[in-house]
Amino acid sequence: EIVLMQSPGTLSLSPGERATLSCRASQSVSSSYLAWYQQKPGQAPRLLIYGASSRVTGIPDRFSGSGSGTDFTLTISTLEPEDFAVYYCQQYGSSPLTFGQGTRLEIK
Amino acid sequence: QVQLQESGPGLVKPSETLSLTCTVSGGSMSSFFWGWIRQPPGKGLEWIGYIYYSGSPNYNPSLRSRVTMSVATSNNQFSLRLTSVTTADTAVYYCARSEWGSVYDYWGQGILVTVSS
Repeated sequence: EIVLMQSPGTLSLSPGERATLSCRASQSVSSSYLAWYQQKPGQAPRLLIYGASSRVTGIPDRFSGSGSGTDFTLTISTLEPEDFAVYYCQQYGSSPLTFGQGTRLEIK
Repeated sequence: QVQLQESGPGLVKPSETLSLTCTVSGGSMSSFFWGWIRQPPGKGLEWIGYIYYSGSPNYNPSLRSRVTMSVATSNNQFSLRLTSVTTADTAVYYCARSEWGSVYDYWGQGILVTVSS
């Protein structure tokens, strides 16, 4: 089973700043099968990025993903108030599918 | 617009069986994988498994001995059964759609299931 470790656990930033979230895998994620989700309180997760860097239709272009192998990054270029939430990475290169423990992005 | 809705008991006693149903509307179940993901209160996400619309399942090994999924495309529904539940199974259970058994693009709102006597 591939274990995903997200860092930091909590990220405190202000609107307008840049956010960089990390996801590190315990072994290589094949074909960059890595996704990112956003979850707000009381809501289901929302898919943002798949294939490490492909943005889902309708997701603003301030969200971008990068990385390969064992190291992946989600970048939010300019934070908007609605971006403060918990973010999860998920690998789907091997079964079982696994999620990281999440990064909480909070308003500073 | 595809919509998913979970239904079932919100309270289950320890050692009993948790049974949930997900109803899909606004789209066909054909050619998609239909999954279950859970989230204990205040914690992260755990993949339970998925079932293809034709009925082939894939379960998380950590739960495989206790999980059964089924699909009824004629009713636009799929279901989850989890046997011998304990308090560790208390969680919000989400149903979700996947195009390749990979990422989940449509989710239900989630249903909180509490295991307690």
